Amino acid sequence: EIVMTQSPATLSVSPGERATLSCRASQSVRSNLAWYQQKAGQAPRLLIYGASTRATGIPARFSGSGSGTEFTLTISSLQSEDFAVYYCQQYNNWPLYTFGQGTKLEIK
Amino acid sequence: EVQLLESGGGLVQRGGSLRLSCAASGFTFSNYAMSWVRQAPGKGLEWVSSITDRGGSTYYADSVKGRFTISRDNSKNTLYLQMNSLRAEDTAVYYCVKEEGRPVGWGQGTLVTVSS
Repeated sequence: EIVMTQSPATLSVSPGERATLSCRASQSVRSNLAWYQQKAGQAPRLLIYGASTRATGIPARFSGSGSGTEFTLTISSLQSEDFAVYYCQQYNNWPLYTFGQGTKLEIK
Repeated sequence: EVQLLESGGGLVQRGGSLRLSCAASGFTFSNYAMSWVRQAPGKGLEWVSSITDRGGSTYYADSVKGRFTISRDNSKNTLYLQMNSLRAEDTAVYYCVKEEGRPVGWGQGTLVTVSS
């Protein structure tokens, strides 16, 4: 099983500032990496797939980078609606895909 | 617009059974693999099971293998998850997921609570 490790567990950032979230895979997943945003009581919302491709309707302030085992989600200027939990997911060996444990992005 | 509507969740005793359903619309259901993903209260996301487009192949997480059965009825555009021998650790919101080599659509989920 490919283990996905996200850091930090909690990130405190002020609105308008930049947030950088990390995700590491226990073995290479090439670019088969997605990022999700989840708010309380809601289903996950796809932000990024293919490590760096924004999903339909996702604002340009969200960007993804990386390949292999190291990945980053950057939110360039935080808006109030961006405070949520973020998950990375590898789908390199579909359907045995795995998720990171999540990073909670909170208001500083 | 893709719509996935889960149903069948509820409260069940440990050792009991439950069948979840997912009614799909807005796409050609029989052309897509489908999955179930769950999320325990306050926890992260866990892949549970997947089935190919025609139902010819099924896959299970080790945590549910031998207890859960995924199936589909393409004539009814519906995905199922039969859950037997339920345990407290199966308590979670269960999401129905449309697949295209990766998840491309999620339902809103149905809550399963296993009481001990």
